[in-house]
Amino acid sequence: AQKVTQAQTEISVVEKEDVTLDCVYETRDTTYYLFWYKQPPSGELVFLIRRNSFDEQNEISGRYSWNFQKSTSSFNFTITASQVVDSAVYFCALSEVYGQNFVFGPGTRLSVLP
Amino acid sequence: DAGVIQSPRHEVTEMGQEVTLRCKPISGHDYLFWYRQTMMRGLELLIYFNNNVPIDDSGMPEDRFSAKMPNASFSTLKIQPSEPRDSAVYFCASRSRVSGTSTDTQYFGPGTRLTVL
Repeated sequence: AQKVTQAQTEISVVEKEDVTLDCVYETRDTTYYLFWYKQPPSGELVFLIRRNSFDEQNEISGRYSWNFQKSTSSFNFTITASQVVDSAVYFCALSEVYGQNFVFGPGTRLSVLP
Repeated sequence: DAGVIQSPRHEVTEMGQEVTLRCKPISGHDYLFWYRQTMMRGLELLIYFNNNVPIDDSGMPEDRFSAKMPNASFSTLKIQPSEPRDSAVYFCASRSRVSGTSTDTQYFGPGTRLTVL
């Protein structure tokens, strides 16, 4: 069975601090996708990134970066120089490639204080 | 291209009433998903369709819930009769099964916040 764990329920940082959100997953599949979604206070779910299991290169997009390590089954998300607008709940998710099973983690609520 | 569209955005109803939630997926997407989000249970997949056909409804909580997809551009989730424990945010998402491309991702609608009194 697939499972996604986000051990950090809530994180608070002060603006301009760096913050890392942890994601650990379990799957028996050898090929799969990993995702991060952002849910701001307005409630919508915003897609941030998708990563294929065969591509372990880290990715950087502006202040956002993702570290994918198959050896530890982790897909961590770092926000550099956090801003108040980064305050949201962040979900990590896992999807089969050849199926439709899509599993979300419980989410991490990030509060960035001015 | 417009994203996933859901209506209504907010629904308040009384226990026992029928509730219908609506979703228009992104044009060209052949998969449609219905999720429910609550504080206690997080995001739960209720049902998904492929090419308008329900594939897996194992997440539907009980017979009071039903979903249809009469065509590629419209789906409904119906609760009859509604109960206070159905209060949640209901999301619709769509996805294109073109593996290996950026479209192989679920894109979510804004959600419908349902309150059953």
